[in-house]
Amino acid sequence: NAGVTQTPKFQVLKTGQSMTLQCAQDMNHEYMSWYRQDPGMGLRLIHYSVGAGITDQGEVPNGYNVSRSTTEDFPLRLLSAAPSQTSVYFCASSLKSNTGELFFGEGSRLTVL
Amino acid sequence: DAKTTQPPSMDCAEGRAANLPCNHSTISGNEYVYWYRQIHSQGPQYIIHGLKNNETNEMASLIITEDRKSSTLILPHATLRDTAVYYCIVRVVGIYNQGGKLIFGQGTELSVKP
Repeated sequence: NAGVTQTPKFQVLKTGQSMTLQCAQDMNHEYMSWYRQDPGMGLRLIHYSVGAGITDQGEVPNGYNVSRSTTEDFPLRLLSAAPSQTSVYFCASSLKSNTGELFFGEGSRLTVL
Repeated sequence: DAKTTQPPSMDCAEGRAANLPCNHSTISGNEYVYWYRQIHSQGPQYIIHGLKNNETNEMASLIITEDRKSSTLILPHATLRDTAVYYCIVRVVGIYNQGGKLIFGQGTELSVKP
């Protein structure tokens, strides 16, 4: 198993550009989620999904879109990047939505100029 | 959602037990307590979780008070590699399409010193 794979690891964008952060897991996990982490701060939940076709908002969803068309993939879309979205993004998954531990990816570092 | 309160930082001598406290006074009956740690800028790593009984695994022990309002993560013999930020989290357990949010707080920065 590759676990949770995030791409790209690093990305620089200009304000207003769009991009998609990819997240894939090969563990047949039901639950997937996206967090962002800013310097000196904990992780903040952006969006999460409890199964294919089901997504919901977390603590800081504004400026981000997600979809879950397959069990394996949970992409995070920035439609119009802003400097405030400069952050490290982590994708995480777990076998079930209400029990079990989260497995995290290695993170994607995004800089918006 | 129940919130957690942790001290921002703690020190521990190498080889000694590290006891990391967490307060979750508003926890409800179907909420689990989870502990994670994050080393440098890596993705957080799951350590242990529990509902009401004390739990132990190869990494740590989790002690939950009888009223479930607080818990303590114990690293029995801390090493320099245990230096990390430790997060105590209460997991919301809801109906199928609303459950599963894991909300992280600020965590405790544990420094293990030689």
